[in-house]
Amino acid sequence: QVQLVESGGGLVKPGGSLRLSCAASGFSFSDHYMSWIRQAPGKGPEWVSYISSSGTSIYTADSVKGRFTISRDNAKNSLYLQMNNLRAEDTAVYYCARGQQTPVYWGQGALVTVSS
Amino acid sequence: EIVLTQSPGTLSLSPGERATLSCRASQSVSSSYLAWYQQKPGQAPRLLIYGASTRATGIPDRFSGSGSGTDFTLTISRLEPEDFAVYYCQQYGSSPRTFGQGTKVEIK
Repeated sequence: QVQLVESGGGLVKPGGSLRLSCAASGFSFSDHYMSWIRQAPGKGPEWVSYISSSGTSIYTADSVKGRFTISRDNAKNSLYLQMNNLRAEDTAVYYCARGQQTPVYWGQGALVTVSS
Repeated sequence: EIVLTQSPGTLSLSPGERATLSCRASQSVSSSYLAWYQQKPGQAPRLLIYGASTRATGIPDRFSGSGSGTDFTLTISRLEPEDFAVYYCQQYGSSPRTFGQGTKVEIK
C-alpha cells in the first residue's frame, strides 16, 4: 500500500533552518509529481511547492520563494524540503503528498514550530 | 491567485439531516477543476470529490458535488456520525493551487 512518512520537523528559532524528508513506498515514486502542503493551526491548507517526476519542473509559492527549496532523490524514493530563514508564520504541519492537482495520498504530517 | 470563500463557517446539524456547503471563487475555475476534501482532527485531508462532481475512489454516494464557473456546492444527503468534520474546497485549474478556509460540520 502507498505510504508517505515525513520526518525532520521540530522547534526552531526565527531565522533558523530545517530540512524535511518524506520517505515513499508502495508505488513507483519516480513516475509521480510530489508536493509539500502545509496547514497552520486552525487554517486551511496551503500549497507550498511541487516537483515533477524527473525533478526538472518546480513550483514554489510566493510566500516561501527564495527561502524554501524542494528536491527529490528517485533512487532513494525520497522527497525533501529545505527551509531556510524560517519565520513565525511558517509554523504549521507540513504534509508530503503524491501529485500536484488533487492528492489522494498524504503523509501523517510533520510539525514545524518557529518560535524564540 | 484564485481566492475561494466557503460558507457557512459552521453548520450545526443532526445525523440523518442534509448538509449543503458552498464554495465561491474570486474568478472562474477553468474546466471545473474544483475538489472537495474532508478533514478530521489530527488527520490529513481526504479527497472526496474532483472535477467538481466526480467522487474519488471509495467515497460513499451520499456525497455529491455540483457547480461550475465560480459557484460550487458539496451536498451530503444524509449525515452519518462519521461525517462530522471540516470540509475544504480546492481549485487546481491554475497556479497557485488554493484552498478555501473550510466549513465545519458539527453535531447539533
